[in-house]
Amino acid sequence: EIVLTQSPGTLSLSPGERATLSCRASQSVSSSYLAWYQQKPGQAPRLLIYGASSRATGIPDRFSGSGSGTDFTLTISRLEPEDFAVYYCQQYGSSLTFGPGTKVDIK
Amino acid sequence: QVQLQESGPGLVKPSETLSLTCTVSGGSISSYYWSWIRQPPGKGLEWIGYIYYSGSTNYNPSLKSRVTISVDTSKNQFSLKLSSVTAADTAVYYCARLLMVYAHSPGWFDPWGQGTLVTVSS
Repeated sequence: EIVLTQSPGTLSLSPGERATLSCRASQSVSSSYLAWYQQKPGQAPRLLIYGASSRATGIPDRFSGSGSGTDFTLTISRLEPEDFAVYYCQQYGSSLTFGPGTKVDIK
Repeated sequence: QVQLQESGPGLVKPSETLSLTCTVSGGSISSYYWSWIRQPPGKGLEWIGYIYYSGSTNYNPSLKSRVTISVDTSKNQFSLKLSSVTAADTAVYYCARLLMVYAHSPGWFDPWGQGTLVTVSS
């Protein structure tokens, strides 16, 4: 089973700042089969990115994904108030597993 | 657009079977894969299993012995049964559509239902 590790656990930033979230896999994720989700309190996760770098429908272009192999990154170029949330990565190269999440909170 | 809604008891006794149904609206359940995911309070996400509209299934190995997922295309619904539950099964249970990378190769989840909290307690 591929285990995903996300860092940092919590990221404290101000609106307008850039957020860089990391997702590392215990072994190489084939074909960059990695997705990112955003979850706000009391809500279901929402798909942001699939295929490591493809934005889902309706996702603003301030969200971008990159990476391959074992190291992946989600970048939010300028944080808006509605972006403060928990972010999860998920790999689908070998079965289906999620990372533990990164919380982005207001500094 | 496609919307999903979970339904079922919010309280289940230990050792009993948890049963939930997901109703798909705004589109047909046919030609897609459908999945269950859960999230214990304050914790991360765990994939439970998925089903194709034809009835073929795949389960998380860690839960496989206790999970059954079924589909009713006439009602545009799919269901989850989890047997012999314990307090560790207390979680918000989500249903979601599972998009495939290519035929029969699972990918990402989109969209998700709003989730339903199931508490295991006597």
